[in-house]
Amino acid sequence: QVRLVESGGGVVQPGGSLRLSCAASGFTFVSYGMHWVRQAPGKGLEWVAFIRSDGRSKYYGDSVKGRFTISRDNSKDTLYLQMNSLRGEDTAVYYCAKDIRGGGYSFDNWGQGTLVTVSS
Amino acid sequence: QSALTQPPSASGSPGQSVTISCTGTSSDVGDYNYVSWFQQHPGKAPKLMIYDVNERPSGVPDRFSGSKSGSTASLTISGLQAEDEADYYCSSYAGINNLIVFGGGTKLTVL
Repeated sequence: QVRLVESGGGVVQPGGSLRLSCAASGFTFVSYGMHWVRQAPGKGLEWVAFIRSDGRSKYYGDSVKGRFTISRDNSKDTLYLQMNSLRGEDTAVYYCAKDIRGGGYSFDNWGQGTLVTVSS
Repeated sequence: QSALTQPPSASGSPGQSVTISCTGTSSDVGDYNYVSWFQQHPGKAPKLMIYDVNERPSGVPDRFSGSKSGSTASLTISGLQAEDEADYYCSSYAGINNLIVFGGGTKLTVL
């Protein structure tokens, strides 16, 4: 079955950087687009970024554009999110999610999430 | 403020039906048949319940159904059960510039 395991979360100071990873298994990783979605404490879901299966096309939400970079290593079945210039409002649980068919339309499987706390 | 508008709360008694609305615009819900619904229990990851407006993934009970009229999508849960108590979020594809937008979520209480 599909399994997505995020790692790399933690506490970081404002202005700092962090890289999240998402190890995928149970499906043909190279065939699917992948997303990052976040949820601030007690708040709703926010789409963060999407990368197509071949890694050539990437899309970002307005709140992270220019600061976050999504990437993937299809040889390692792993998705990444490089987060720079972090702000307090980036504090959230970050989920990686598999696209439902590859086109960026929705998510059918989610990881358990990793918590990022931006605080001095 | 979320791009899609959901009521903050909904409730129903066991066995009853409840419908949760999700209102967008002609740039998202109204323009694409890519509306999804997610169930989230406290401390857990979201779970896909409906995709492409009215399709159910395997394993999701047929008590859950989706529909859309214009720029408003709806999730209907019939035969409410205690385990249906959770937060529900809608999402919609919104085109190449803003890919996916979410609703603010609806807290469903089973009385």
